[in-house]
Amino acid sequence: GAGVSQSPSNKVTEKGKDVELRCDPISGHTALYWYRQRLGQGLEFLIYFQGNSAPDKSGLPSDRFSAERTGESVSTLTIQRTQQEDSAVYLCASSRQGPTGYGYTFGSGTRLTVV
Amino acid sequence: QQQVKQSPQSLIVQKGGISIINCAYENTAFDYFPWYQQFPGKGPALLIAIRPDVSEKKEGRFTISFNKSAKQFSLHIMDSQPGDSATYFCAASNPNSGGSNYKLTFGKGTLLTVNP
Repeated sequence: GAGVSQSPSNKVTEKGKDVELRCDPISGHTALYWYRQRLGQGLEFLIYFQGNSAPDKSGLPSDRFSAERTGESVSTLTIQRTQQEDSAVYLCASSRQGPTGYGYTFGSGTRLTVV
Repeated sequence: QQQVKQSPQSLIVQKGGISIINCAYENTAFDYFPWYQQFPGKGPALLIAIRPDVSEKKEGRFTISFNKSAKQFSLHIMDSQPGDSATYFCAASNPNSGGSNYKLTFGKGTLLTVNP
């Protein structure tokens, strides 16, 4: 596609429920990144994919968070047993070259609200 | 440990004025410094970036100034316009190092408001 697509754009869930967030990167972009943006904060790195492997998942906050990627395509970020502190905007980005910091293209994010 | 410190948190400028946002970094291995612009409800978009082999880079009304010895870099927006009102993030990485330093480390952002 023309850009990075994320779905849903908004998600409200009850505390304790599991949620899945989806990212469709730009076609041909081998690298994919997940970031979390809390209100008034910068972007917090979560995980990086090169193809369908994740060389760096050091930013995942706890074992409730996991992510996977199918080939060089769709990625899913799963949060189990959601907590109120998980409320944030989850941003996905992709880039043509990896691992590099060049040419990140971000999606519009999924705003997650845990009530 | 916050590796990229950004200031100010918010900035109000009159139309036609100069907006200046500053960032300081700690990791001397960083060698790629982009600025991102984010409008409400949108993801950040790359605005301009610099490598430390130059002290300044200009693209239209946007200029990055880089001071390697001080480990500081700043974004200057000349002739600021209401349409520039957005949140600006500085970031840093070492894209050529391999390992885990490829990822962008972001500052906390500056909310810029340009009054008409």
